[in-house]
Amino acid sequence: GIQVEQSPPDLILQEGANSTLRCNFSDSVNNLQWFHQNPWGQLINLFYIPSGTKQNGRLSATTVATERYSLLYISSSQTTDSGVYFCAVDGEDTGTASKLTFGTGTRLQVTL
Amino acid sequence: SQTIHQWPATLVQPVGSPLSLECTVEGTSNPNLYWYRQAAGRGLQLLFYSVGIGQISSEVPQNLSASRPQDRQFILSSKKLLLSDSGFYLCAWSRFSYQPQHFGDGTRLSIL
Repeated sequence: GIQVEQSPPDLILQEGANSTLRCNFSDSVNNLQWFHQNPWGQLINLFYIPSGTKQNGRLSATTVATERYSLLYISSSQTTDSGVYFCAVDGEDTGTASKLTFGTGTRLQVTL
Repeated sequence: SQTIHQWPATLVQPVGSPLSLECTVEGTSNPNLYWYRQAAGRGLQLLFYSVGIGQISSEVPQNLSASRPQDRQFILSSKKLLLSDSGFYLCAWSRFSYQPQHFGDGTRLSIL
């Protein structure tokens, strides 16, 4: 099956700093999503981005499908950005369901 | 707008007892439905998915089963829980394949 690697595994930032999270995947994908899991366990959709670039406020993401990686940018980080960021991909062409494979995540802590 | 509900939020069960977790989606028809499990400190693993009533596909052989008795209802069950069934269980839905998945708030299951 497809492999998903995320880096760095852990990241500590001071409030206001910028960061880049990386997701590498081993095969072509039909679906790529970035999620933020908050301290209560809720999994929040950030981006659906199988290719291209998207921006939403202080967050933006870029996926270069031909080179099999995606980047998540967080600018002017806030303490509420703390949590675990997951990249998830679907590499199978089932034609019916999208079966996501998750990376192991990047644990982000933003301090005052 | 679409919403997804999971219950209960937390569950503590003895080894050998049965399990039933329920997930319902509102505001859409014929969604794809998914059950994932997250072990402590790890990423999510797909357990089951369904593209229609009565249609269940299993991704990981295990002590669990899933059913879809109604279009927007997805149930995760076990006849006899094992200690290894502990974890955080999340239900998700998507409109079609290659469309973003949206997650419920999860059920935290502890087996004693």
